Amino acid sequence: GENVEQHPSTLSVQEGDSAVIKCTYSDSASNYFPWYKQELGKRPQLIIDIRSNVGEKKDQRIAVTLNKTAKHFSLHITETQPEDSAVYFCAAADSSYKLIFGSGTRLLVRP
Amino acid sequence: ETGVTQTPRHLVMGMTNKKSLKCEQHLGHNAMYWYKQSAKKPLELMFVYNFKEQTENNSVPSRFSPECPNSSHLFLHLHTLQPEDSALYLCASSQDLGAQYFGPGTRLTVT
Repeated sequence: GENVEQHPSTLSVQEGDSAVIKCTYSDSASNYFPWYKQELGKRPQLIIDIRSNVGEKKDQRIAVTLNKTAKHFSLHITETQPEDSAVYFCAAADSSYKLIFGSGTRLLVRP
Repeated sequence: ETGVTQTPRHLVMGMTNKKSLKCEQHLGHNAMYWYKQSAKKPLELMFVYNFKEQTENNSVPSRFSPECPNSSHLFLHLHTLQPEDSALYLCASSQDLGAQYFGPGTRLTVT
């Protein structure tokens, strides 16, 4: 089955700097890759997603890149702000409705 | 109410109790999911219902029993749980293989 690995587990950046979180997946049939942000005590919220027919997608300060050959995808947050502090989860899914999540990255943006 | 709702938000139960968690989605989606979130495994898929039919159960112990009476409602029936079952139980829904939207979760404590 699918296995998703996520790095780093914790990331601390200065406000205004960029943050990058990386994930790898094992199943070449996976074709959908969402990213979720979970603030303390709240539900995971979808922030961006990408499908395997696209290499890069951007939404304001957030971008995701996908390398199907290498089976890895990354989340890029530019001009970080304190409210970006949260746990971020990557995930991968194939056609079976089964979303497999990474272990999460705790991002801390220092003011 | 919009989105995905879950009740109760908090539940404390003894190991011999029987209780049920409820999830309702107001998004018109056709797939619903149960996840378990704990410190050990941040987001672990338990059950998937697609068009009211269970398509994945991920080797979940039989003390957890799902029920999906229609595409808007999902239940998780609990009986003879163990202390290690204490966790946050999240419900989610999606339209086909699209983005999954999570409910606020039920914080379960088994004493």
